[in-house]
Amino acid sequence: QKEVEQNSGPLSVPEGAIASLNCTYSDRGSQSFFWYRQYSGKSPELIMSIYSNGDKEDGRFTAQLNKASQYVSLLIRDSQPSDSATYLCAVTSGGSYIPTFGRGTSLIVHP
Amino acid sequence: DAGVIQSPRHEVTEMGQEVTLRCKPISGHNSLFWYRQTMMRGLELLIYFNNNVPIDDSGMPEDRFSAKMPNASFSTLKIQPSEPRDSAVYFCASSDQHNYGYTFGSGTRLTVV
Repeated sequence: QKEVEQNSGPLSVPEGAIASLNCTYSDRGSQSFFWYRQYSGKSPELIMSIYSNGDKEDGRFTAQLNKASQYVSLLIRDSQPSDSATYLCAVTSGGSYIPTFGRGTSLIVHP
Repeated sequence: DAGVIQSPRHEVTEMGQEVTLRCKPISGHNSLFWYRQTMMRGLELLIYFNNNVPIDDSGMPEDRFSAKMPNASFSTLKIQPSEPRDSAVYFCASSDQHNYGYTFGSGTRLTVV
């Protein structure tokens, strides 16, 4: 069974710090990796996707993928209180385009 | 682009009643997904359609749940009869490129009392 694991948190960081969110997955054949942000009471919103090893940067967000170690992470630089949300990791495997979602990590950025 | 549109936003119903949730995907998206989210189980895929055809309904919890997609712009998820354990937020999502992620609707919060 394909599994995607995330620490549920909450992860609490001060405003301006770097928030590091981690995700591990069980299927070595996984090919596509996504990070969704979900504010309380709202729907998940796609913020990053990554498909190859290494780093991918988009503004204050950096996704990091290490297929050998089977983890993907999301770094948020200069964290703001508005970044407080639950971050969901989603992974697709070679045989399917349907992602498996992790349970999410709650991030709290305090002023 | 209005995004994925779901209705109703909230639904409160009595146990045993029929519930119908509706979804309009983004125009041009050829895949549509129904998810259920609870605190206990997270996001669960119930069923998905590709080009209006149901591809995999293995996530549908039981026969009380059914879904249809009569055309490219409309889908329904029906629960009959509803039970309190069906209380959850139900999301519809659509996609045009499977590897590029989904766009979720705003969800329907269902409460069965």
